[in-house]
Amino acid sequence: DAGVTQSPTHLIKTRGQQVTLRCSPKSGHDTVSWYQQALGQGPQFIFQYYEEEERQRGNFPDRFSGHQFPNYSSELNVNALLLGDSALYLCASSLAWGEETQYFGPGTRLLVL
Amino acid sequence: AQSVSQHNHHVILSEAASLELGCNYSYGGTVNLFWYVQYPGQHLQLLLKYFSGDPLVKGIKGFEAEFIKSKFSFNLRKPSVQWSDTAEYFCAVNLRATNKLIFGTGTLLAVQP
Repeated sequence: DAGVTQSPTHLIKTRGQQVTLRCSPKSGHDTVSWYQQALGQGPQFIFQYYEEEERQRGNFPDRFSGHQFPNYSSELNVNALLLGDSALYLCASSLAWGEETQYFGPGTRLLVL
Repeated sequence: AQSVSQHNHHVILSEAASLELGCNYSYGGTVNLFWYVQYPGQHLQLLLKYFSGDPLVKGIKGFEAEFIKSKFSFNLRKPSVQWSDTAEYFCAVNLRATNKLIFGTGTLLAVQP
């Protein structure tokens, strides 16, 4: 049974560019959350998707957007990249809305130059 | 705003020493509590969780944690650490039914053989 998978594993972009990160949830999970983990910090909640809709959002600007597909996989898009967007982006999935245990993927390391 | 504090940023122990990592949260409502661990080169893994019931919870690899509601604390303990416990440990809280995890900044544990 595959766990949460994310692609790509690493990415280098320049300021002003746009990036799309992808996540496939654990089998049977229908809720996907995205987190940003800056170096030396704990993960910070970006947003969460359930039934293809954004259900909750953390304190991130509109440059951060997402999408969930009918097969529950999800994308995180970041526009107009800033140097400060360099971080590890984590995807987490859970079994059902209201099931509070989240399982994390390996993350995508984004470097913005 | 809700927050999670982990008091120890770096901890160095010798094998067989006892471990206690502190975690305090600020939120007056009902919460679920988690400890996640990130071994070198691996992704975040759930170590243990508390939703309700017995405030002393046992997790994987001999770890346990005690929820003390009056102190807003959820400290992680292990009676005898091993070199393989070297990792970063994150305490996390979510507000009931929000599925939004709030993480502490993490504690880096190094166990010397």
